[in-house]
Amino acid sequence: SAVISQKPSRDICQRGTSLTIQCQVDSQVTMMFWYRQQPGQSLTLIATANQGSEATYESGFVIDKFPISRPNLTFSTLTVSNMSPEDSSIYLCSVDGQDINEQYFGPGTRLTVT
Amino acid sequence: GENVEQHPSTLSVQEGDSAVIKCTYSDSASNYFPWYKQELGKGPQLIIDIRSNVGEKKDQRIAVTLNKTAKHFSLHITETQPEDSAVYFCAASIETNAGKSTFGDGTTLTVKP
Repeated sequence: SAVISQKPSRDICQRGTSLTIQCQVDSQVTMMFWYRQQPGQSLTLIATANQGSEATYESGFVIDKFPISRPNLTFSTLTVSNMSPEDSSIYLCSVDGQDINEQYFGPGTRLTVT
Repeated sequence: GENVEQHPSTLSVQEGDSAVIKCTYSDSASNYFPWYKQELGKGPQLIIDIRSNVGEKKDQRIAVTLNKTAKHFSLHITETQPEDSAVYFCAASIETNAGKSTFGDGTTLTVKP
């Protein structure tokens, strides 16, 4: 399994500002994923981040709002831009395990926008 | 796209009893079905999974069954313990689309001592 850390673990931000969330994995992985989990709800995939290429965004998510970087095989960032209260969620980083279908999740970043 | 429905949304059992959570999926191409446990303040943790070429899989007190014809799969927890209390998510994906899982809405399991 992979050990994933995220920073920050939580933050309270003002409307209109941006927050960058970092995801660090203890081993090299091909694919990294960013999910959003709104309060009391399920997980929704935001985008897939591959090293050396642009992230692939799911329907309803756009690069201008959620720019992603993937500078190497162990690290990725997700920025939540121009935040509004509707962006208040837990943001989760995920990676594939050795078995291509197994997924491992980070502890999440709990974001509150006021 | 895939749609996963999960029931019940909340489940309360006495310690030692069994708990069953059920999910249905819509896309017959889905062939990988993981279950995750999410404790408060933590990310989801994979607890068991099943592929479409298998009907049942067991790991100690946890088992998962899959009915491909009916497009439903279930999680069974026997001899529940208070530490089993958490939110459980089912998911479905296509084996070649790693990471693109569709998740159910979750079941909050409470095990009363």
